[in-house]
Amino acid sequence: AQSVAQPEDQVNVAEGNPLTVKCTYSVSGNPYLFWYVQYPNRGLQFLLKYITGDNLVKGSYGFEAEFNKSQTSFHLKKPSALVSDSALYFCAVGGSSNTGKLIFGQGTTLQVKP
Amino acid sequence: GAVVSQHPSWVICKSGTSVKIECRSLDFQATTMFWYRQFPKQSLMLMATSNEGSKATYEQGVEKDKFLINHASLTLSTLTVTSAHPEDSSFYICSASRGGRGWTNTEAFFGQGTRLTVV
Repeated sequence: AQSVAQPEDQVNVAEGNPLTVKCTYSVSGNPYLFWYVQYPNRGLQFLLKYITGDNLVKGSYGFEAEFNKSQTSFHLKKPSALVSDSALYFCAVGGSSNTGKLIFGQGTTLQVKP
Repeated sequence: GAVVSQHPSWVICKSGTSVKIECRSLDFQATTMFWYRQFPKQSLMLMATSNEGSKATYEQGVEKDKFLINHASLTLSTLTVTSAHPEDSSFYICSASRGGRGWTNTEAFFGQGTRLTVV
């Protein structure tokens, strides 16, 4: 069964500092990995995805993620955090059916302080 | 980018009544739509997968008679919460899938969500 885990409920970082939001996955077969961001009472906004190719994936708003097969991880990163990055972040893995079904991690709240 | 519109954004209803939530793909045809439920500060839990013209596939533990899903066209899916009770209060989010086979060609786009409060 596909699953994804986000070990941190909350990440706190000062504005201007680099940030990392962790994600590990468990899949049978090729992993299709995604990051989404959610602002309060809003739907999810797509940040980036890994399907194949380069392990470092660049996405929206300056975010990037590194796919590490040996560690089964797909951590989200940003070199310099902004206060406006404060939100709830979800890592997800694509279901094996390839229809658009996503299995989400439990989410990590990112708090960027001025 | 593709747009998925969900309506209403929020709704308050009395216990025992039914509520319908619409999910529309505005600029693409969605072969598959998904309905998720999210409790405060928790993850999204998939409720059901909806394919146009066929019965929805419900996840284990989701009552199909309580959460009625209709996917009448390639651009519209509806979720009806029947005989709503306070424990049904939650944030419901739909997503619509565009593309063909394989994740290289498939993307999921999310609606803005519906906050349901049953009083």
